[in-house]
Amino acid sequence: KNQVEQSPQSLIILEGKNCTLQCNYTVSPFSNLRWYKQDTGRGPVSLTIMTFSENTKSNGRYTATLDADTKQSSLHITASQLSDSASYICVVTPLNQAGTALIFGKGTTLSVSS
Amino acid sequence: DTGVSQDPRHKITKRGQNVTFRCDPISEHNRLYWYRQTLGQGPEFLTYFQNEAQLEKSRLLSDRFSAERPKGSFSTLEIQRTEQGDSAMYLCASSSGTGAYNEQFFGPGTRLTVL
Repeated sequence: KNQVEQSPQSLIILEGKNCTLQCNYTVSPFSNLRWYKQDTGRGPVSLTIMTFSENTKSNGRYTATLDADTKQSSLHITASQLSDSASYICVVTPLNQAGTALIFGKGTTLSVSS
Repeated sequence: DTGVSQDPRHKITKRGQNVTFRCDPISEHNRLYWYRQTLGQGPEFLTYFQNEAQLEKSRLLSDRFSAERPKGSFSTLEIQRTEQGDSAMYLCASSSGTGAYNEQFFGPGTRLTVL
């Protein structure tokens, strides 16, 4: 069964600190892997998208890595800010799908405190 | 504003009532998707349209759920005879259907509460 598992489920860090969120998936073959940020009560917003052939992708203070061999991805956030408090969702698109079969993780809830 | 918009943002209804939600996609996007998200879970795919054609609806949760996109622009999602278990965030997304990523852009969602 295609699955996306994220860890930790929740995380609390101090403002200015770095953190790394993990995503393990069993989807194979896959087309791309995305990380979304979802603020409470809002829709998800894309942070990074990587195809199976890409190893890393950055978007400002967010850096995603992908190891297709071990089927793992991580999202690293540097110099965290209070506005980074949100849920971060890992999403995998199976290969040869019309984009309808996105497989979502449950998300990691990040709380940044001052 | 050129993003995906949804209306209403919040809906409170009594069990047994019908509700309808609207989604306006990014104007040049021909694909439109509906998702449901419950607390602590990732979005769950419901259905999708390419232009006015509903190409996938087998994952609608029950026959009480239906969606339309009559002119290939905005879409509506209707839930008939609502139940308390229908309480959730309903998300709409759109995409161009092209490019290496076929990235989906999400709207802000409609929060449904069934009393």
